Amino acid sequence: EVQLVQSGAEVKKPGESLRISCQGSGYSFTSYWISWVRQMPGKGLEWMGRIDPRDSYTNYSPSFQGHVTISADKSITTVYLQWSSLKASDTAVYYCARQGYSYAFNHWGQGSLVTVSS
Amino acid sequence: EIVLTQSPGSLSLSPGERATLSCRASQSVSNNYLAWYQQKPGQAPRLLIYGASTRATGTPDRFSGSGSGTDFTLTISRLEPEDVAVYYCQQYGRSLFTFGPGTKVDIK
Repeated sequence: EVQLVQSGAEVKKPGESLRISCQGSGYSFTSYWISWVRQMPGKGLEWMGRIDPRDSYTNYSPSFQGHVTISADKSITTVYLQWSSLKASDTAVYYCARQGYSYAFNHWGQGSLVTVSS
Repeated sequence: EIVLTQSPGSLSLSPGERATLSCRASQSVSNNYLAWYQQKPGQAPRLLIYGASTRATGTPDRFSGSGSGTDFTLTISRLEPEDVAVYYCQQYGRSLFTFGPGTKVDIK
């Protein structure tokens, strides 16, 4: 069974750094891209960027380029989403999602709630 | 970057009625890389349709997708109470993914 298990909820202050994770299991980890998707409170889905775990090639939405970093560790089948300096506007649920046929996301993590507040 | 527009923003129908949701792209979606998702409150999105018209595993056959180029449609043939959710379209092209703003479906 394909599973994407994300790290738990985080509460941070503005300016702090953060890394959240998404561990894949039940499939060949290096065969499928993983994307991160943001959902701000009461809002829609926004694609942030993706990584190819085979070679760690990444590309980002123009809206998120330079604001976050996506990385992967093949040895532990885990993908990360990282901020160096959080803002209150980063408060959201973040989902990881695995690529399937026709570039659709056929498997999703359970979501990680990030709250940034002073 | 391709921008997706969904209409209507919300709709409220009676059980058994037909729901028609529209997704329009600002440019042609290459190879019909267009998917539809259902998201219920407090849950992660769930893939319903990919390749514009292919049902994902486990998608009930009352859901169908159609369209090509810039105009796509998700149809729920007979609305059931468990279909209350927000529905998003998503496309892939030129190394970028984008989602539409969503259509909220309610039961009268």
